[in-house]
Amino acid sequence: GAVVSQHPSRVICKSGTSVKIECRSLDFQATTMFWYRQFPKQSLMLMATSNEGSKATYEQGVEKDKFLINHASLTLSTLTVTSAHPEDSSFYICSARPQGGGKETQYFGPGTRLLVL
Amino acid sequence: TQLLEQSPQFLSIQEGENLTVYCNSSSVFSSLQWYRQEPGEGPVLLVTVVTGGEVKKLKRLTFQFGDARKDSSLHITAAQPGDTGLYLCAGPNKPRDDKIIFGKGTRLHILP
Repeated sequence: GAVVSQHPSRVICKSGTSVKIECRSLDFQATTMFWYRQFPKQSLMLMATSNEGSKATYEQGVEKDKFLINHASLTLSTLTVTSAHPEDSSFYICSARPQGGGKETQYFGPGTRLLVL
Repeated sequence: TQLLEQSPQFLSIQEGENLTVYCNSSSVFSSLQWYRQEPGEGPVLLVTVVTGGEVKKLKRLTFQFGDARKDSSLHITAAQPGDTGLYLCAGPNKPRDDKIIFGKGTRLHILP
């Protein structure tokens, strides 16, 4: 149980294009999902907190117009990197907190490797 | 924002040796978690410690939460190549906060 999937697992795109990454909780409902970014040899940095049916809360320094987050259902959140540039190349990881789960409870997806050329 | 400092940053040891990695903070945490992450994958939760002084064992891995709940350690006995990975500690940003913050991790490499 408690499986989170991400799609795609890898994506290569040209500079200036937009890329959408999906995060799905497969066997539970998640009122809250989190999006992280991880650069090589570094830790996970929280980008935003996504609550179903409401606007995402972004961390300081993360541009909400560049990283669009939609959490339209209890099992799906999407992150769209708009007008991607090479510096956006990174490993994007989502996590999902089950409905009623404590704040320590998060299940992580396998990540999406984005390479912007 | 609370900070979690992990040490060492890198550790490379021979198979069969024992090791300890540390997670320290100047702040009190209501709980701490340890994750293991392999390259190209998401982190996988190993354990959550909640009570000061708590010790939890997971096969060859022993986790301890400091009495003051400001630090934690992970001890691996008889390390195996399969233990290779990035070990991350994490905890709630603030007591009532929804967010979890991560330390920078210890990158462990076990040589066969």
